[in-house]
Amino acid sequence: DSGVTQTPKHLITATGQRVTLRCSPRSGDLSVYWYQQSLDQGLQFLIQYYNGEERAKGNILERFSAQQFPDLHSELNLSSLELGDSALYFCASSVDNPSGNTIYFGEGSWLTVV
Amino acid sequence: GNSVTQMEGPVTLSEEAFLTINCTYTATGYPSLFWYVQYPGEGLQLLLKATKADDKGSNKGFEATYRKETTSFHLEKGSVQVSDSAVYFCALVASGGSYIPTFGRGTSLIVHP
Repeated sequence: DSGVTQTPKHLITATGQRVTLRCSPRSGDLSVYWYQQSLDQGLQFLIQYYNGEERAKGNILERFSAQQFPDLHSELNLSSLELGDSALYFCASSVDNPSGNTIYFGEGSWLTVV
Repeated sequence: GNSVTQMEGPVTLSEEAFLTINCTYTATGYPSLFWYVQYPGEGLQLLLKATKADDKGSNKGFEATYRKETTSFHLEKGSVQVSDSAVYFCALVASGGSYIPTFGRGTSLIVHP
């Protein structure tokens, strides 16, 4: 158990809909990362938050957004969903930024868009 | 930019065989290097790491040595078990910059009894 909790574990929704994925980081971790894992694209970094502030952006679509709340949990919002958004979405957390810090992953949220 | 290249899989071995999964990287400065493992239906788990040149990370019989001269961090295990069947990801965190981990595409390992 990594200590990173993600909900829901599985989600099936229709095209055009909007979903919210939730992540609770490990106790004490200030950084939260979101990754998308699909068969054809591998593991893609989406976005990072640090102590409530957006720190870095990766390959995140404009239809997607995220935020980190004062209690450090984070939500990833996916809207106007398309079939190609079907993937496994991971949240990860770490204590802070400095190189050498390990990031710990949750078990992921499986999103299926039909 | 930073990048990680792993050997393509799947790697198929018999139980008790020797395992090597190659990983090379491109990064500025002196990155930290990691191996993560993903078992079926689960998230990524840290397997081992090394933070400076010539460091050897080890865990659960797996080892990897940080080779700066060849920019490599190959994963090895002397005798694999069926339970080692999983996908293995090599990753780096570069010094300086954003510190966002960069992952390779993963290598699937299948171990037969």
